[in-house]
Parts: sequence; C-alpha cells; structure tokens
Amino acid sequence: KNQVEQSPQSLIILEGKNCTLQCNYTVSPFSNLRWYKQDTGRGPVSLTIMTFSENTKSNGRYTATLDADTKQSSLHITASQLSDSASYICVVSSNDYKLSFGAGTTVTVRA
Amino acid sequence: KAGVTQTPRYLIKTRGQQVTLSCSPISGHRSVSWYQQTPGQGLQFLFEYFSETQRNKGNFPGRFSGRQFSNSRSEMNVSTLELGDSALYLCASSYGVLSYNEQFFGPGTRLTVL
Repeated sequence: KNQVEQSPQSLIILEGKNCTLQCNYTVSPFSNLRWYKQDTGRGPVSLTIMTFSENTKSNGRYTATLDADTKQSSLHITASQLSDSASYICVVSSNDYKLSFGAGTTVTVRA
Repeated sequence: KAGVTQTPRYLIKTRGQQVTLSCSPISGHRSVSWYQQTPGQGLQFLFEYFSETQRNKGNFPGRFSGRQFSNSRSEMNVSTLELGDSALYLCASSYGVLSYNEQFFGPGTRLTVL
C-alpha cells in the first residue's frame, strides 16, 4: 500500500477559482513534506517543503498546510490561472533517507 | 546558475538492447537521484548517489544500475530492455542528501522501447 495518498485524482476548475488538493501519509519517522508541480512533458518543480514544525508555507498563489499529528497536508491554489494546469505531487521524506511519492493530482484550469 | 541537464532528451530502443542516460547536476550539488515515471505508476524512485556512493535504492530489478563520477555527473544504465521500460526518466540533484534537501529536477529523458 502506498504510504502517500493524494486526492482527488483529478479536478477541473474555472479560471479565477480556488481549489484545494489533499495529501495523507503514513510515512514514519517523518522528516519533511514537499509539494511539486509538474507540467506535461517536464520535470517537477518544487513549490514548498515543510518540516515537522511548520504548519503553513506559501509560494505566491500556492499555500501548503501540514498537520503532522493527523499526517495530512493540503495545497491550496488561489485565483487559479490557466498556467496552473499541471500535475501536483506530494512527496514525504522520512528520517531514514527515503522518499515516498503520491500518485499526483491532475488539475485542469478552464477559461 | 545552470539547471539540471539530461541527455539525450529522447531515445528509441528495441527490446533486448541496453541504454545509458546521462545527468549533469547543478554546480555544487553532490546528490543525484533517478526516477522512472509512467502514466500508470507515477514517479518511482530508482536510486540516489551522493559523493560517488549509492545511498539508496528503490525496488527495481538489477537491470537498472547507475554510477556517479567525481564531478557529480551521473549515468543510469538499463540492460536487456523490456517494453515496460518505456517511460520518462528523471534525474534530480540536491546539495546534500535528497531526503533533507530541496531537489531540482531535470527535463527528463523520454525512452521508448519497441
């Protein structure tokens, strides 16, 4: 069973609207959690990286939250733009030097 | 600062052949990790090299191997190619060990096995 579960698998939103992506994990011991954006045919680009002590981190219109107690994270996209159409991948790192990847959420922004 | 570069960008091979992919990390980065990405499986970790030593290895058969040179450049080799090896192969670099440091991905090598 995958240690990092993302939901929804895909979503479609209208330009200008907000959306929230979810990431639940069971990885232990926890080191940090990362969100990546991957455009079609390109390598992933880091959006945020959060350690145990961080609850919220923003990168422009992207805001990630982390609840280490419930092992949940979310990525909120504000005022979506067409360029936000991409796959968003949640990655959890453990203290034993391993990374666990979620399957990703595909976001499509429509005009 | 130049980003992570991967060569070649596209490759077509036939079953049974072998292939070598190359990755040049960001200058100063000592960790290079490799990933396989397919539509059905998502991103899967192959291995990580740090200062020429393999630190971590994913659950891939021995046909997948890699190495890192003293200048941190890395190569990945796949022998006896199978149809299922068709994928986007991504390399990422980080300053320190990848689990504690932000990693930067290259554009990938698209491998097609016929």
